[in-house]
Amino acid sequence: QVQLVESGGGVVQPGRSLRLSCAASGFTFSNYAMHWVRQAPGQGLEWVAFISYDGRDKFYKDSVKGRFTISRDNSKNTFYLQMNSLSAEDTAVYYCARDPRYCDSTTCSYYFDYWGQGNLVTVSS
Amino acid sequence: QSVLTQPPSVSAAPGQKVTISCSGSSSNIGNNYVSWYQHLPGTAPKLVIYDTYSRPSGIPDRISASKSDTSATLGITGLQTGDEADYYCGTWDSSLSTYVFGTGTRVSVL
Repeated sequence: QVQLVESGGGVVQPGRSLRLSCAASGFTFSNYAMHWVRQAPGQGLEWVAFISYDGRDKFYKDSVKGRFTISRDNSKNTFYLQMNSLSAEDTAVYYCARDPRYCDSTTCSYYFDYWGQGNLVTVSS
Repeated sequence: QSVLTQPPSVSAAPGQKVTISCSGSSSNIGNNYVSWYQHLPGTAPKLVIYDTYSRPSGIPDRISASKSDTSATLGITGLQTGDEADYYCGTWDSSLSTYVFGTGTRVSVL
């Protein structure tokens, strides 16, 4: 069965860095695009970043551009979110999610069919 | 501030119907596929609609979706206590080159 297992969260001081990992199993990882999504305390879901199946295409939410980097290692069935210059506004539960994404002649379909269990990142001094 | 607007809450009695609207623009809902997610606090969100109208395996046909121009709607009929959750719409925004979620709607069963 499809499993996405996140790790790497915790408490970190403002301005410091943290790397989240998401280990995938139960499917051919290299065929799927992947995303990071977060939910701050008391807030709604917020998309963070996207990486294509081969790692060539990456997109980011504006507020994390230049600070966060998404990457993947298809040989390890794992993808990552390197988070630098963290601030209190980055405090959230971070979810990794799988995207079966496909494109037709006019547009691409993006959706999240499997999610990890969530990993809490707390930025606090 | 999300680019997709949903009502904060909707409610109905057991067995009744609720609808959740998701209002966007031509750069997102108007020209891209919409998906919907059910989210219970402390758990992973669950996909209930993808590609605007399709239900994943295991999602009952009490849940349906529609789209008109730059708005999408999720409908739940035969409301059950197990349907109580937060529901989010989502889609790609071609102008922003980002995925966007709606503001979220809390469904309550009276």
